[in-house]
Amino acid sequence: AQSVAQPEDQVNVAEGNPLTVKCTYSVSGNPYLFWYVQYPNRGLQFLLKYITGDNLVKGSYGFEAEFNKSQTSFHLKKPSALVSDSALYFCAVRADQTGANNLFFGTGTRLTVIP
Amino acid sequence: SQTIHQWPATLVQPVGSPLSLECTVEGTSNPNLYWYRQAAGRGLQLLFYSVGIGQISSEVPQNLSASRPQDRQFILSSKKLLLSDSGFYLCAWGQHSPLHFGNGTRLTVT
Repeated sequence: AQSVAQPEDQVNVAEGNPLTVKCTYSVSGNPYLFWYVQYPNRGLQFLLKYITGDNLVKGSYGFEAEFNKSQTSFHLKKPSALVSDSALYFCAVRADQTGANNLFFGTGTRLTVIP
Repeated sequence: SQTIHQWPATLVQPVGSPLSLECTVEGTSNPNLYWYRQAAGRGLQLLFYSVGIGQISSEVPQNLSASRPQDRQFILSSKKLLLSDSGFYLCAWGQHSPLHFGNGTRLTVT
């Protein structure tokens, strides 16, 4: 069975400071890992993914994430937060052998960047 | 380029009424299609997915059903809505990773 945990419901950070949104996963086989962002009353927008290769993945809007196999983590990071980064962030996982490309999502972390 | 359309954007329906939400994808063929529900603005639950016309897999037992009458059309339905069906419904498509989401339909059952 696949699952994703986002241990923080809410993360607050001052504008200009680095931000981290945490994610840990559980999956049989090799994981495919994703981060999405959701703005109010909108669908999810894809930020980045890890499939294989370099453990540090760079994505949209200056975000990056680091895959750590030993800690089964895939934390989202950004060196300098913007007020416009305030949104709901979802981590998701699928197992590589899942043919239907089904994603399993965490419960989301609300990021608030304080001006 | 590929686009996904979902409608309506918002819907208010009384308990016991029928439901039909539509999702269409443009710019691709034979996509995998998905319906997710997001409750209380947080976690997403996979409701249905389809890998081809007429092929529907249900992930959770519920008051809803899905159909795929055409390659790029995915419909979420109910014969009689319950209060617990209220939520934000998201359609997604994906041939390979990642999934791409529509803008969602906010359903309120009163």
